Amino acid sequence: QSVLTQPPSVSAAPGQKVTISCSGSTSNIGNDYVSWYQQLPGTAPKLLIYDDNKRPSGIPDRFSGSKSGTSATLGITGLQTGDEADYYCGTWDSSLSAVAFGGGTKLTVL
Amino acid sequence: QVQLVQSGSELKKPGASVKVSCKASGYSFTTYAMNWVRQAPGQGLEWMGWINTNTGNPTYVQGFTGRFVFSLDTSVNTAYLQISSLKAEDTAVYYCARAWGPTDYFDYWGQGTLVTVSS
Repeated sequence: QSVLTQPPSVSAAPGQKVTISCSGSTSNIGNDYVSWYQQLPGTAPKLLIYDDNKRPSGIPDRFSGSKSGTSATLGITGLQTGDEADYYCGTWDSSLSAVAFGGGTKLTVL
Repeated sequence: QVQLVQSGSELKKPGASVKVSCKASGYSFTTYAMNWVRQAPGQGLEWMGWINTNTGNPTYVQGFTGRFVFSLDTSVNTAYLQISSLKAEDTAVYYCARAWGPTDYFDYWGQGTLVTVSS
């Protein structure tokens, strides 16, 4: 059972917008930066967002991150079928002295 | 460009050992920490711990102590994960992932190594 809670699945139509939430506590999200990872089927995770809201080079601005208190949100606009993947949030948990990942959210683009 | 290339899939019997390699290129190997992440079949990501590539000092998360060993060969820019006394529940994909420090995000990942433990 992860200390970061994500919805198991979300879905939306092509071209639409979707948000994925990641809920934690003061010992993790409330105390450190959040990162987001995209895992396409059968591939390794890929960094999507770091330091709450920064995008690595090459990540389109359709992907955005935000944080408020002990919750973080990944937003994806202009959904494409190629965005179908599992998405994970991650951060440092000071109580566990460990990196924590959310359970993952499967995005389906209908 | 930064690359982390892992060794190929392994099929092992219970009780055996396995050593997974992660060869880094495109950056100064000892500047970044190397992390290990496990993903069991159909499950999420689980951080196993990290190794300081400067000092060789490993840190293991609870649940990955005893049978799991992180090591380095800095002469060939390679990190290793060794698992001994393998059990069926060790069946998973193991990823190496680079980070600036132990509390930082993972900016590059290896392609993953599937370890299957079956009699």
